[in-house]
Amino acid sequence: DVKVTQSSRYLVKRTGEKVFLECVQDMDHENMFWYRQDPGLGLRLIYFSYDVKMKEKGDIPEGYSVSREKKERFSLILESASTNQTSMYLCASSLLWGGRFSNQPQHFGDGTRLSIL
Amino acid sequence: GQQVMQIPQYQHVQEGEDFTTYCNSSTTLSNIQWYKQRPGGHPVFLIQLVKSGEVKKQKRLTFQFGEAKKNSSLHITATQTTDVGTYFCAGPVTGGTSYGKLTFGQGTILTVHP
Repeated sequence: DVKVTQSSRYLVKRTGEKVFLECVQDMDHENMFWYRQDPGLGLRLIYFSYDVKMKEKGDIPEGYSVSREKKERFSLILESASTNQTSMYLCASSLLWGGRFSNQPQHFGDGTRLSIL
Repeated sequence: GQQVMQIPQYQHVQEGEDFTTYCNSSTTLSNIQWYKQRPGGHPVFLIQLVKSGEVKKQKRLTFQFGEAKKNSSLHITATQTTDVGTYFCAGPVTGGTSYGKLTFGQGTILTVHP
């Protein structure tokens, strides 16, 4: 079974701090994703990586950066945390290819509920 | 950009009633996926539909993909309290290095009253 592990379930930080959220997957998946989940807005993609050291901006990358030094680990960095970054953060992974017309399912971690005070 | 809209946002039902959530895309989709997130949990993949007009069943859950591949629905027959959660549809992002990326709908939060 695929296991996606996020380093913290709950995290409280202060405005202006640099915050690191870590995610590790154990299934050798090429793709890794960071989402934030807010009520009424669904899952919004922050950043995406399809290979080591490769990254792409998602829909809401402002104020975030990512790092993928190893295939199994994908880190989300809040450069200078602000209160509007208080949210639930979900990491996911998937295989790269699902075929011509299909996608591979994404496997999610348990999430990190981040509060910025 | 590509949008995936899901309605309703909330649905309250009595146990035993049926439930349906609808998903509409602004673009034609090559496939659509459905996920369920239990309260306090994370999204879990349920199913993927690929063919135009496709219908798939999982016990009391029926998934449909529209003929034009721009809409989909999830129908639950005779809801149970175990069906409580948020149901998301998701379609693949097209263009660029998009492989694997999904655009999620806003989700439908289902509450089942015993």
